[in-house]
Amino acid sequence: AQTVTQSQPEMSVQEAETVTLSCTYDTSESDYYLFWYKQPPSRQMILVIRQEAYKQQNATENRFSVNFQKAAKSFSLKISDSQLGDAAMYFCAYRSTGNQFYFGTGTSLTVIP
Amino acid sequence: DARVTQTPRHKVTEMGQEVTMRCQPILGHNTVFWYRQTMMQGLELLAYFRNRAPLDDSGMPKDRFSAEMPDATLATLKIQPSEPRDSAVYFCASGLGRLAGGLIFGPGTRLTVL
Repeated sequence: AQTVTQSQPEMSVQEAETVTLSCTYDTSESDYYLFWYKQPPSRQMILVIRQEAYKQQNATENRFSVNFQKAAKSFSLKISDSQLGDAAMYFCAYRSTGNQFYFGTGTSLTVIP
Repeated sequence: DARVTQTPRHKVTEMGQEVTMRCQPILGHNTVFWYRQTMMQGLELLAYFRNRAPLDDSGMPKDRFSAEMPDATLATLKIQPSEPRDSAVYFCASGLGRLAGGLIFGPGTRLTVL
């Protein structure tokens, strides 16, 4: 089974600064997708960004971007110009060839005013 | 704005009672997942349906949990009898095709078993 590892249980960032959340995964597959989800205190899981494994270009969505290093099996999330509303739990997820989803344990992000 | 709906949003019940949670996936989505989230275990996959057929329910305690999709617009998760250790937030999520667009999650049902 695939595993997804988020080694930072907690992170903090000053408002307007940039923060990077780490994620690594273990797989022998070549066809997969990677995602970052945000879970604010409301508990709603919100899709932030996705990356297709066969695309070398890193995905970007406004202030959110990823650094996808396929050989290293690394998929980090960069949040630029951090805002108070970015405070949440962030989950990295892997979609396998068999359409199963595997989630990391999450990183709790605090934004300091 | 298409969204996954779940009912009830909150449920408090006593040990031994039956609990039924419902999910309406996004219209047209053919894949439905049920997850349970606790502080200790994180997100656990309970069941997974594609085109209404159960593909994986290995994460579900079979003696007390059951999941069904009576039709394409309704997924249910039932616990009978409920136990205090079942207290958690239960999420339903739906997706389309190869799930390249990811899963869209519902708001969750917060279950408390006393």
